[in-house]
Formats: sequence, structure tokens, C-alpha cells
Amino acid sequence: QKEVEQDPGPLSVPEGAIVSLNCTYSNSAFQYFMWYRQYSRKGPELLMYTYSSGNKEDGRFTAQVDKSSKYISLFIRDSQPSDSATYLCAMREEGTGANNLFFGTGTRLTVIP
Amino acid sequence: DSGVTQTPKHLITATGQRVTLRCSPRSGDLSVYWYQQSLDQGLQFLIQYYNGEERAKGNILERFSAQQFPDLHSELNLSSLELGDSALYFCASSARLAGLNEQFFGPGTRLTVL
Repeated sequence: QKEVEQDPGPLSVPEGAIVSLNCTYSNSAFQYFMWYRQYSRKGPELLMYTYSSGNKEDGRFTAQVDKSSKYISLFIRDSQPSDSATYLCAMREEGTGANNLFFGTGTRLTVIP
Repeated sequence: DSGVTQTPKHLITATGQRVTLRCSPRSGDLSVYWYQQSLDQGLQFLIQYYNGEERAKGNILERFSAQQFPDLHSELNLSSLELGDSALYFCASSARLAGLNEQFFGPGTRLTVL
């Protein structure tokens, strides 16, 4: 079993829809939870991060972490064609000295105008 | 633009060959990470260097090796290449080891092994 599981999609939604992206994980030591966005032929870029449990909002994006269920979500409101990309969840432990990230396989999102 | 540069952009080679991928981190970043991205496995951590020293190892094959030079640029060496090594190879850099320690990714090197 992989440490981080993510539905690869693809996901296709009409412009203006609410998008929900999710990941589950097995390592209870993960403390940093991130969402990266990767456009075609580009490297991933950090979209949002959350430390430990809770919610975080940034404009149209909301990240949620439920550590009791080992489940994280990213919600995109009023989705735009420019949101079309692959979204990767990523996680890491704290305090191990190594900062490598554990990624989900990514969900490809297409927002149709 | 993340500030991380990788060369070459594309590499096509044959099985059994050896290649070297190069990464220059963002100015001031001491940590360099290498990741492999394939369609079925997603992004997999290979190895991390911090200020010239190996810091962490992930699922890196023995045929692969890396180093970080005094000017902080890093090279990933892949030898005895197999078809399954075809993938995107990303380098990322970060400034510190503690806290969020955001990793900035380069544009990647696409390796095709024929």
C-alpha cells in the first residue's frame, strides 16, 4: 500500500463548479500537508499548505485536513479554465531532519468554459 | 519561474547508457532534492543533499547516484539505463530544513530510454 493515495481522475467540470480533490494517507507522523499544482510540461508549484489539522482558506481555494481520518481535501470554488492542471497532494513528517515529500499520484482537472 | 534550473530539458538515449542530469538551485538554497515522476508511480523522492552532504535517501536505485558540488549545484547520474527509467526527473530546492521549508521545483528533465 502506498503511503499517500489519490484518485488520479481525470476530473472534468464546467466553469463555475465547485471542485473537490482528496487524498488519504497511512503515516500518522505526517504533519505538513500540501497541495501542489502542476501545469502541463511544468514543475509542480506549491498552492497551499496546512500544518496539522484544520482548515485553511486562500481566495477560491480551501484546504482541509482531518488527521483522525487521515484524509485531506482541496476545494476550489467558482472554478476557472485557468485552474485546469494536475493537482498533487504532498505530505511530510516533522523533525526527522529529512524534508522529502510524499506525493499522491495527482488528479488531472479540466475546467470546461 | 521558480528560480531552479535544470538541464537538459529532454534526453533521448539507449538502454545500457549513462546520463547526467544537472540542477542549479535557487540562489541561497542549500538543500537539493531529486524526484522521479512516472505515469503510474507519480512523484517519487530519490535523494536529498544539504550543503554538499547527503541528507536523505528514498527509492533510489543503486544504478543511480547524485552529488552536490561546492557551488551547490547538483547532478544526478543514471547508469545502465533500462526502458523503465524513462520518466520526468525533477529537482527541487529549499532554504532550510525546519518548518514548512517550501520546496521549489525546476521544470524537469524528460528522459526517454529507447
